[in-house]
Amino acid sequence: EDQVTQSPEALRLQEGESSSLNCSYTVSGLRGLFWYRQDPGKGPEFLFTLYSAGEEKEKERLKATLTKKESFLHITAPKPEDSATYLCAVPRSNDYKLSFGAGTTVTVRA
Amino acid sequence: EPEVTQTPSHQVTQMGQEVILRCVPISNHLYFYWYRQILGQKVEFLVSFYNNEISEKSEIFDDQFSVERPDGSNFTLKIRSTKLEDSAMYFCASSRQGSGQPQHFGDGTRLSIL
Repeated sequence: EDQVTQSPEALRLQEGESSSLNCSYTVSGLRGLFWYRQDPGKGPEFLFTLYSAGEEKEKERLKATLTKKESFLHITAPKPEDSATYLCAVPRSNDYKLSFGAGTTVTVRA
Repeated sequence: EPEVTQTPSHQVTQMGQEVILRCVPISNHLYFYWYRQILGQKVEFLVSFYNNEISEKSEIFDDQFSVERPDGSNFTLKIRSTKLEDSAMYFCASSRQGSGQPQHFGDGTRLSIL
């Protein structure tokens, strides 16, 4: 069965302390991997789509990378406003529904 | 930037009552979805809708649930007879195409069943 696993569950960072989040997936015929940011009480906000191994996308302090089995979200010199839960999701192999990971909750202290 | 809007933001309903959650997807999108997130759990898929019919539904989406696109802009989720376990955040999403395209989410309706 298709699965998405994120680690760690929670990450506490000092402002400026760079780190990485992991998303590992098992799905045949990957048709994209999506990263979202979710703030408390809000819906997932789309960040990136990655389609093939070796691909990278950047947005401000965030960079997402993809291999054949996992994706990383790198946060460089984070600020308190980067505090959120980061979700990854993949379409299931035979339809369009997204399977979400449980997320990594990032807290950045000033 | 265009966004998905959902109303109401919070709905409190007695168990056994019917509830309708409303969504206005992004205007040029063709695929529509409902997801839910029980507090502290993963976002989980309920149903997808394309070309005025359901294209996929999960095992959660039983006969108590229905979806409708009553006009060119609204997309609704109806729960016919609510149960305590229906309490959750319900998110509407839309995408321009199906496979491989990002889905854009609204900010959700918090449904509380008493």
